Amino acid sequence: EADIYQTPRYLVIGTGKKITLECSQTMGHDKMYWYQQDPGMELHLIHYSYGVNSTEKGDLSSESTVSRIRTEHFPLTLESARPSHTSQYLCASSEYGETASTDTQYFGPGTRLTVL
Amino acid sequence: GEDVEQSLFLSVREGDSSVINCTYTDSSSTYLYWYKQEPGAGLQLLTYIFSNMDMKQDQRLTVLLNKKDKHLSLRIADTQTGDSAIYFCAESPGDTGRRALTFGSGTRLQVQP
Repeated sequence: EADIYQTPRYLVIGTGKKITLECSQTMGHDKMYWYQQDPGMELHLIHYSYGVNSTEKGDLSSESTVSRIRTEHFPLTLESARPSHTSQYLCASSEYGETASTDTQYFGPGTRLTVL
Repeated sequence: GEDVEQSLFLSVREGDSSVINCTYTDSSSTYLYWYKQEPGAGLQLLTYIFSNMDMKQDQRLTVLLNKKDKHLSLRIADTQTGDSAIYFCAESPGDTGRRALTFGSGTRLQVQP
């Protein structure tokens, strides 16, 4: 069982609100990821971090921002939420290195966001 | 670019075997993965296979890899209703410089009693 947590699990908010989705892991993993999962099930990488103070945008453009001040914590922020941000957001982490266990990503339970 | 493809839906009867197929394009991928996602949950790692292997068995799960055809399959023996979920295959970045696993779009497995 992977030790990676996301809060809240469900969030319903109004348009224009600022929100932060929390993600934390206790495995000491250097790499962390945020994915957006659309209703058609496909995963889209929106943010990525190699380690503390390292963040990069992913394959899918996103209006969200992330920060990595501590190894275990990788929060995602939306400054002004819109209905188009309604989705499932999944956080994941992996080790840093060259073996299979380092490519292996461990996922949190996800946050389902609904913006009205 | 790199791509991973899966069929969208598979329906089987309880007790039958399920076979979920996946094709990928990156020949430099060193590891290929199968993840399971139950409703409302994150992705759970089921198994992975190193690219120089043809087969890996783990209890009811059998992974077959045809590296020449870039084809990966997951066989679930004696499928149970609890196996109903979405199954994702994924390939490792290899030497492409990609930063994360590339996931397929997922196959929804429905197990009928």
